[in-house]
Amino acid sequence: ETGVTQTPRHLVMGMTNKKSLKCEQHLGHNAMYWYKQSAKKPLELMFVYSLEERVENNSVPSRFSPECPNSSHLFLHLHTLQPEDSALYLCASSQGNTDTQYFGPGTRLTVL
Amino acid sequence: GIQVEQSPPDLILQEGANSTLRCNFSDSVNNLQWFHQNPWGQLINLFYIPSGTKQNGRLSATTVATERYSLLYISSSQTTDSGVYFCAATFSGTYKYIFGTGTRLKVLA
Repeated sequence: ETGVTQTPRHLVMGMTNKKSLKCEQHLGHNAMYWYKQSAKKPLELMFVYSLEERVENNSVPSRFSPECPNSSHLFLHLHTLQPEDSALYLCASSQGNTDTQYFGPGTRLTVL
Repeated sequence: GIQVEQSPPDLILQEGANSTLRCNFSDSVNNLQWFHQNPWGQLINLFYIPSGTKQNGRLSATTVATERYSLLYISSSQTTDSGVYFCAATFSGTYKYIFGTGTRLKVLA
């Protein structure tokens, strides 16, 4: 796959589990994003990393913990989630903040 | 707060018809993009268009930044155009893209 990849594509987890979502971009970009898309709601920006530093944290609960070890990889660590956290989680990347964002295929998360 | 509004919320077309989707925003934009989300959830870039007009095949887009709106034109629609169309914008030089609620398009054969 080229562009932006995400794994896993589907994830089912219990409220006490710990899991991680992975995103990798192959575009040479320097900014990466996590979004949440719930049913019948607009996409919500969660986190933005620019040059591996977090530049946006959109009032996201601490049970979501991002990590950006380098400019190509972005993780979202999940722990003690709630059923209302079930959603499509989308990763994106861009070159700076004045250019096109490219999205990955998303991880569809279900919390039981 | 800053808002991005899209209309219409839902649209049903017969194959071959043309349509115009609208995106209004409440402040001056730095970036504006149009996306198509397919039934599998993939968001596909259509246009990066903070101002001016662009065309790509049957699709074109126009942003009039001074009047705070953008339009996406779809001509000779095909069933594969079905899905949800989103516009998204940033304001004041931030990374914070704000998405509209989308227009859900269904093209009938």
